[in-house]
Amino acid sequence: GQQVMQIPQYQHVQEGEDFTTYCNSSTTLSNIQWYKQRPGGHPVFLIQLVKSGEVKKQKRLTFQFGEAKKNSSLHITATQTTDVGTYFCAAPRPGTGYSTLTFGKGTMLLVSP
Amino acid sequence: EPEVTQTPSHQVTQMGQEVILRCVPISNHLYFYWYRQILGQKVEFLVSFYNNEISEKSEIFDDQFSVERPDGSNFTLKIRSTKLEDSAMYFCASTGTAPKNTEAFFGQGTRLTVV
Repeated sequence: GQQVMQIPQYQHVQEGEDFTTYCNSSTTLSNIQWYKQRPGGHPVFLIQLVKSGEVKKQKRLTFQFGEAKKNSSLHITATQTTDVGTYFCAAPRPGTGYSTLTFGKGTMLLVSP
Repeated sequence: EPEVTQTPSHQVTQMGQEVILRCVPISNHLYFYWYRQILGQKVEFLVSFYNNEISEKSEIFDDQFSVERPDGSNFTLKIRSTKLEDSAMYFCASTGTAPKNTEAFFGQGTRLTVV
């Protein structure tokens, strides 16, 4: 089945440091979505990337979709304690016309003040 | 802001018992999903539902599982005979009127503990 690989599994940074998580697929993706899950919470949609090479920004968060549409990254500049959580990339399951998602294993971000 | 609601928030059940997890998707959404997340692991797709029928299911969604939309608002997941390994957080999600390329709205989840 489709595999979406995500690294690193875990990252601990000091507040103010940058953070990046990477997502890779062996197959070309129609789009990729990013979700954030706070500890004890549920996945919350952050963004969707559709176009090859697309870059989108949300304040301190920068999302990229690779030229081949097989990889993506999320970069947070100057982390804050409110950024704590697990960041998941998710891609539509191939062959479906629906938003049925395959999630990566996630990157847990811990930010120390 | 519209949201997906799930009940109960936590359910403890004995192995072999049946459980029904309930969800109220966002009112104008047409596509509904169940996902599960074993503690500390990734979110896994179980089943998608559209137009009163299952549109896709994963390998996890075996004969022990069933879904239903009994009325115009509720969407339920039934596990007929629970096993210890069914212990997980179960998330309901819905997407809007267009099935493709749309964000999924997740409920707060039901934590199922099978003892």
